[in-house]
Amino acid sequence: DAGITQSPRHKVTETGTPVTLRCHQTENHRYMYWYRQDPGHGLRLIHYSYGVKDTDKGEVSDGYSVSRSKTEDFLLTLESATSSQTSVYFCAISESPGANQPQHFGDGTRLSIL
Amino acid sequence: KQEVTQIPAALSVPEGENLVLNCSFTDSAIYNLQWFRQDPGKGLTSLLLIQSSQREQTSGRLNASLDKSSGRSTLYIAASQPGDSATYLCARGTQAGTALIFGKGTTLSVSS
Repeated sequence: DAGITQSPRHKVTETGTPVTLRCHQTENHRYMYWYRQDPGHGLRLIHYSYGVKDTDKGEVSDGYSVSRSKTEDFLLTLESATSSQTSVYFCAISESPGANQPQHFGDGTRLSIL
Repeated sequence: KQEVTQIPAALSVPEGENLVLNCSFTDSAIYNLQWFRQDPGKGLTSLLLIQSSQREQTSGRLNASLDKSSGRSTLYIAASQPGDSATYLCARGTQAGTALIFGKGTTLSVSS
């Protein structure tokens, strides 16, 4: 299995509080992604990173920010959590473009916002 | 908008049956097509990746095909087993390094 660790694995918090999810990889892959998975919607991209300090928005980026200060870590922050952000969040990694290699996923973080 | 559709949403078969899962996509400018397996409460496990220049890929009892002209991919599972019970997701890549666009999955149940 690809070396991807997501933390925390489960979190319950209240509306309006800030939340940070962490994704750590040991594969030295250039690309990292944050997806959310919701019933009826499938997986949707929130943000992705194509290198240290290089990030871009995905389909559902509103209310989320990301940071990548090291190759191995990609952080997802909910500045002020809302109930609509209750979801399962997955981190994924992939190698450089042209390698045409699969994306590999972490085990997910189940986030509940009350 | 680029979309990926998986039909049926759920499928139940007896053990030993050969089966096909379907995936269709809009826009033939596909970079690659990836099939995943997801067990309840777990992450996604990559099964097969087909590059746009390829027609199929095989791994054990699994065979995935890609037909760009018709916008379809299929995942063939031979001699199904109860351990194959899971949700199967297909996802298309549209540009090197960018996000995958996922279908909503087919939930497979194999009974013994």
